[in-house]
Amino acid sequence: GAGVSQTPSNKVTEKGKYVELRCDPISGHTALYWYRQSLGQGPEFLIYFQGTGAADDSGLPNDRFFAVRPEGSVSTLKIQRTERGDSAVYLCASSLGSQETQYFGPGTRLLVL
Amino acid sequence: GENVEQHPSTLSVQEGDSAVIKCTYSDSASNYFPWYKQELGKGPQLIIDIRSNVGEKKDQRIAVTLNKTAKHFSLHITETQPEDSAVYFCAPDTGRRALTFGSGTRLQVQP
Repeated sequence: GAGVSQTPSNKVTEKGKYVELRCDPISGHTALYWYRQSLGQGPEFLIYFQGTGAADDSGLPNDRFFAVRPEGSVSTLKIQRTERGDSAVYLCASSLGSQETQYFGPGTRLLVL
Repeated sequence: GENVEQHPSTLSVQEGDSAVIKCTYSDSASNYFPWYKQELGKGPQLIIDIRSNVGEKKDQRIAVTLNKTAKHFSLHITETQPEDSAVYFCAPDTGRRALTFGSGTRLQVQP
């Protein structure tokens, strides 16, 4: 079946702009996660949704980052007033429920000029 | 929070040899121990995992061993093949669901 998909695959933007990154989880998966991966590092947790609600947003670095999952399926990660330090690969993962295996998408490569 | 360290950071082996990667963690509440493989330009892919009530798990050429007392777990790959070349991450979990990834081990299998 289809895995986790993310769009766009690449995004180039200018400092100060607003960006939205989209994640389509595996059908039926109730849990959804966002991670950020800088070059040469492991992914770092940003936020976790169980259904429509953010169960844990402790990894969001500051209030420029926000994520939504209004219908409990697709999620959008929103970054306001982008900074060069936001450049990274943003990974989305989903799992059937809590305590289940997390399956990752291919990521969105964000470059802030 | 969880402090996770992986060793070595890079590993080069000849095809057919074995490879071992070790992961140490700090949180004694960790109860789930996965290993992920990441190829260039792709997201991490789960290759094997183990829960805290089991000491060892094997799946064909891949195995994971867990030492909860010492707070470390290891990935073992036997009969390595060139397609095993990738970056491997451990990501112990306390049940919080926010995986804490190690810094990765780049494995290169020389044909």
